[in-house]
Amino acid sequence: DVKVTQSSRYLVKRTGEKVFLECVQDMDHENMFWYRQDPGLGLRLIYFSYDVKMKEKGDIPEGYSVSREKKERFSLILESASTNQTSMYLCASSLSLPSTEAFFGQGTRLTVV
Amino acid sequence: SQQGEEDPQALSIQEGENATMNCSYKTSINNLQWYRQNSGRGLVHLILIRSNEREKHSGRLRVTLDTSKKSSSLLITASRAADTASYFCATDPSGNTPLVFGKGTRLSVIA
Repeated sequence: DVKVTQSSRYLVKRTGEKVFLECVQDMDHENMFWYRQDPGLGLRLIYFSYDVKMKEKGDIPEGYSVSREKKERFSLILESASTNQTSMYLCASSLSLPSTEAFFGQGTRLTVV
Repeated sequence: SQQGEEDPQALSIQEGENATMNCSYKTSINNLQWYRQNSGRGLVHLILIRSNEREKHSGRLRVTLDTSKKSSSLLITASRAADTASYFCATDPSGNTPLVFGKGTRLSVIA
């Protein structure tokens, strides 16, 4: 079974902190994604990566950066956390683009105070 | 950019009834997928239908796709309380782009 693991289920951070959200997949997938999910807005793509050290901006990249140094790990970085980044963050991976089935982590609910 | 739009936004039915959710999208697609999300959890893939397919079944799930109308429907037959969840359609616009998700339908199945 494919497993996508996010490092934390719940996280509380202070405004201005640098925040790292980690995601690891164990199926040698080429593609990895970070989405955020907010009530009434659905899932919105922040960044994605189709190869090691490669990254592409999604629909809402402002205030975020990513890192993919190894194929199995994709990190989302909030450079200076703000309260409007309080959200559910979902990591996913897939084998190929055009997209095959995406496998999601359990989500990280981040609260910025 | 939001591609798919689910309808209705929320649906409440009795156990044993069928639940139908619809998804409309805007551009041509390679495939369309349906996902389920239990409260506060990640999404789980349910079914994928390719653009050259019209109907697909998986257990109690039936998905249809009408590319001329740019729409899809998900039917869950003989629903159970455990089917209570949010359901999302996701489209794969032509080209090498990630999935684009709709806002979801919240299904409540009352025992």
